[in-house]
Amino acid sequence: DTGVSQNPRHKITKRGQNVTFRCDPISEHNRLYWYRQTLGQGPEFLTYFQNEAQLEKSRLLSDRFSAERPKGSFSTLEIQRTEQGDSAMYLCASSGNRGAETQYFGPGTRLLVL
Amino acid sequence: AQKVTQAQTEISVVEKEDVTLDCVYETRDTTYYLFWYKQPPSGELVFLIRRNSFDEQNEISGRYSWNFQKSTSSFNFTITASQVVDSAVYFCALSEAGNFNKFYFGSGTKLNVKP
Repeated sequence: DTGVSQNPRHKITKRGQNVTFRCDPISEHNRLYWYRQTLGQGPEFLTYFQNEAQLEKSRLLSDRFSAERPKGSFSTLEIQRTEQGDSAMYLCASSGNRGAETQYFGPGTRLLVL
Repeated sequence: AQKVTQAQTEISVVEKEDVTLDCVYETRDTTYYLFWYKQPPSGELVFLIRRNSFDEQNEISGRYSWNFQKSTSSFNFTITASQVVDSAVYFCALSEAGNFNKFYFGSGTKLNVKP
């Protein structure tokens, strides 16, 4: 049974660079979510997809952030012109499609912007 | 306003002690779900339990038990006979009928179990 996977697990970049993270959900799950977690805090919702459609975006997702799920399977989260404040753990989760579902999380991508 | 409050930032216990992690939530919806997740040092959030607002029965799973009280808007988590492997950060989360897909997490409680 394969869980949610995320790549890379760690990313160090310089301010101003672009970064892209990938998330592969549990295979039978239609919904995919992105969260951001800063040190000492709980995860904060960023966005979610139902299949390939992005149905909600948080105000936390500035214009520099874009997420895609082109074929309704894996998803990518891109951050353009990274800032030091973008340093965080980026978590991906997936769930089934029957009403209120439990979200299952991946191991996260830890981003450090220097 | 914070929808989920975990007032205990960090708790330290000695192995075999019982420990209770508190969670207080706030919502206007009558239908909602509450969750607990465990986050070990590796970083992955591990699902522990889900409870809907219409089911106030307490639940026990091995050494874990959960006490849901709507009257006090609390969903507390007790670990009996704690073990070193229980050391982790524990998060309580809420999803509401208005949007089940958006989880609201508390700030977490770091549990240190010492041998």
